[in-house]
Amino acid sequence: SYELTQPPSVSVSPGQTARITCSGDALPKRYAYWYQQKSGQAPVLVIYEDIKRPSGIPERFSASISGTMATLTISGAQVEDEADYYCYSTDNSGNHTLRVFGGGTKLTVL
Amino acid sequence: QVQLVESGGGVVQPGRSLRLSCAASGFTFRIYGMHWVRQAPGKGLEWVAVVSSDVSNKNYADSVKGRFTISRDNSNNTVYLQMNSLRAEDTAVYYCARDRFGAPAPWGQGTLVTVSS
Repeated sequence: SYELTQPPSVSVSPGQTARITCSGDALPKRYAYWYQQKSGQAPVLVIYEDIKRPSGIPERFSASISGTMATLTISGAQVEDEADYYCYSTDNSGNHTLRVFGGGTKLTVL
Repeated sequence: QVQLVESGGGVVQPGRSLRLSCAASGFTFRIYGMHWVRQAPGKGLEWVAVVSSDVSNKNYADSVKGRFTISRDNSNNTVYLQMNSLRAEDTAVYYCARDRFGAPAPWGQGTLVTVSS
């Protein structure tokens, strides 16, 4: 099996920078993705292929990767950014691709 | 715009079967892989299954392998999840999602499956 590890919670004040980490042994060779899930809603992709931002996602969302750790950064976090954030990635297991989500991080902005 | 609408959820007894459907519109369905992802009440996301655009490849999470089957009908723009031998731990909201950039995106609004006697 393969695991991605995230902190359970992160808390910032409005306007501060929030950083959420995701660690996984395969991240140096497999892409990381990030999702935002607001209460009662379906997840939304906010970062793909480690550092790319889909159209419509605010520029304050960015990401980086260093070795086995991916980091989602929200610069100048706003109250509406309060949500659960999940990383996602893959790994190879023989001729089988493992697809996994991290355990999720609850971001509180207050 | 892309629209994914799941259906088929409900309450089912342990050991029984259920088939979920996901109707897609707003994009060329036949050229995209499709995923199912689930979320147990109050818990995180769990990837379940994926099917390639031409049905040649299917992949499953270990937790459902041998019990769940993903399939698709490209003539009707629909993806299915056949769930057999259901267990209490399969209780979750089940989302379908298109494969985009190598990951599930976007997602439908989900359908709730409750496995209970």
